[in-house]
Amino acid sequence: RKEVEQDPGPFNVPEGATVAFNCTYSNSASQSFFWYRQDCRKEPKLLMSVYSSGNEDGRFTAQLNRASQYISLLIRDSKLSDSATYLCVVNRNAGNMLTFGGGTRLMVKP
Amino acid sequence: SAVISQKPSRDICQRGTSLTIQCQVDSQVTMMFWYRQQPGQSLTLIATANQGSEATYESGFVIDKFPISRPNLTFSTLTVSNMSPEDSSIYLCSAIGQGAGEQYFGPGTRLTVT
Repeated sequence: RKEVEQDPGPFNVPEGATVAFNCTYSNSASQSFFWYRQDCRKEPKLLMSVYSSGNEDGRFTAQLNRASQYISLLIRDSKLSDSATYLCVVNRNAGNMLTFGGGTRLMVKP
Repeated sequence: SAVISQKPSRDICQRGTSLTIQCQVDSQVTMMFWYRQQPGQSLTLIATANQGSEATYESGFVIDKFPISRPNLTFSTLTVSNMSPEDSSIYLCSAIGQGAGEQYFGPGTRLTVT
């Protein structure tokens, strides 16, 4: 079993749609969780951290369920510019080492 | 945030040769890492570059193949030695910023081995 699993997609959605990505992780000792965004032929960039209480940043909402070892990302009112690969990222054993999921590709169409 | 640059941005190399990739951060950082991202795949950690001591390698990666240097808090190099076509990949340098786990990435070095 992979340490961090994501549905690879692609998710093809129209502009304005709401889309949700899910991620599961296997290491129950993980303490920090993130969503990164990677555009084609670019480096990954931090989109947002994920907190136990859930957090929101504009159109983006992240949720964490520690009991189920499950992380989600919700994007509302999708824009064309949201098209990218979204990487679920988990730290290892409360340290600074990160494990990346395989990524979920999103394509927003006009 | 940290701004990270890498050189070269891309290269095409012959098998059996070696390539050294440079990574420069615009500020002092505590930790630096080297990742590999093969086509269509996610990132795989190669090693943690330790300042003033030997790098810490992940399972499947060895120092003879991927020697790493980190002479100071802002600079690191990764060498891909005795290259084969299987080494064709994007190699990314990253560094830890102020927030725990907030990693910043360089633009990557796209390596093609023929």
